[in-house]
Amino acid sequence: AQKVTQAQTEISVVEKEDVTLDCVYETRDTTYYLFWYKQPPSGELVFLIRRNSFDEQNEISGRYSWNFQKSTSSFNFTITASQVVDSAVYFCALIWMDSSYKLIFGSGTRLLVRP
Amino acid sequence: DAGVIQSPRHEVTEMGQEVTLRCKPISGHNSLFWYRQTMMRGLELLIYFNNNVPIDDSGMPEDRFSAKMPNASFSTLKIQPSEPRDSAVYFCASSLEEPPSGYISKQGQGNTEAFFGQGTRLTVV
Repeated sequence: AQKVTQAQTEISVVEKEDVTLDCVYETRDTTYYLFWYKQPPSGELVFLIRRNSFDEQNEISGRYSWNFQKSTSSFNFTITASQVVDSAVYFCALIWMDSSYKLIFGSGTRLLVRP
Repeated sequence: DAGVIQSPRHEVTEMGQEVTLRCKPISGHNSLFWYRQTMMRGLELLIYFNNNVPIDDSGMPEDRFSAKMPNASFSTLKIQPSEPRDSAVYFCASSLEEPPSGYISKQGQGNTEAFFGQGTRLTVV
């Protein structure tokens, strides 16, 4: 079965702390895409990153970084020097190739960054 | 491009009434998704269209829900009759699948990310 698990329901940190959001996925397929989306309090879903299953290179974008490890089926997201504006719900998502491109989401992790 | 446009942003209706949610995908995108978000169930995929054709509607809760995509620039999600348990935020998303489904090269071709509309908050009283 295809599944995305975000075990952390809610995380609270103080501004400037680093924080890692975990994502574990399950798929029988060798070809798939992984995504992270951010949902701020305003409610829209904002795309952050896409990674295909052939590309295990970690990625850094400003204060954001992503660690993709196929060996552990994980695609973790780290925010360095967190800011109050990072407060949001973050979703990890998966598309696998024999699905008709269904994009399925984890349950989300609510991040609260306190000043 | 203005992004994915959903209307209305908010809808309050009485139980038993028909509700129609509308979505305009990003021009040029060939895939369209309808999702429902609730506190209890999170983000659930209801139905997925590719090139205006419904490919997978296994997430549609029951016969009261129906979705159409008469052309590449418009889709509707209809609930008839509505019930209080349908109260949720409904998102529409679109993406571009290129090249055809089933292919990803090591260079990362294939499906693009899905862009979401701002959602329709439905309250059925």
